[in-house]
Amino acid sequence: GAVVSQHPSWVICKSGTSVKIECRSLDFQATTMFWYRQFPKQSLMLMATSNEGSKATYEQGVEKDKFLINHASLTLSTLTVTSAHPEDSSFYICSAGGKNNQPQHFGDGTRLSIL
Amino acid sequence: GNSVTQMEGPVTLSEEAFLTINCTYTATGYPSLFWYVQYPGEGLQLLLKATKADDKGSNKGFEATYRKETTSFHLEKGSVQVSDSAVYFCALSDSVGGTSYGKLTFGQGTILTVHP
Repeated sequence: GAVVSQHPSWVICKSGTSVKIECRSLDFQATTMFWYRQFPKQSLMLMATSNEGSKATYEQGVEKDKFLINHASLTLSTLTVTSAHPEDSSFYICSAGGKNNQPQHFGDGTRLSIL
Repeated sequence: GNSVTQMEGPVTLSEEAFLTINCTYTATGYPSLFWYVQYPGEGLQLLLKATKADDKGSNKGFEATYRKETTSFHLEKGSVQVSDSAVYFCALSDSVGGTSYGKLTFGQGTILTVHP
């Protein structure tokens, strides 16, 4: 079946560092991908919708300059957390698909820890 | 706007017990409905789905029926196993004219723990 690969799975870095997370659709083309954030024992919060070849659509309250999204090809979207701080520590999950009543497929998530 | 409400957890059961996790929704269009499962430290996996009223989604012994009249999509399993321990999310996808647009709205998640 369809697979979405997310990399890296775990990142630990110092405050002030920028971190890039990749999301790839391995066996299908994804014109749209989604980026979520999940706090411990909480639900997924949609951060933004990543659109191939155009700007991402951010949800209310999500800082565009903080969370940079690039969707340069039909199989790859990246999320860059710029100048990360401890409050950015979280579990970030991407997904792809969902059009035409097809289910979204999720990556395995990236656990980001900022020291 | 759209919203999904799940029963509060955590839910703790003994092996072979019957499971019900309630889910109700509010939507303006004709949403597709999903149950996703998340195992510790992992992303979400689709468990089952239903795209129109009275559809029943089923997988791995789990079932849920799309009830438009009660705006519900309750998850059930007749006999749970220890390996079913996970977090379960109910979700809906915007849909207009039967075509979904991919954006999901999630419930808050229900933690299920099954003891031997």
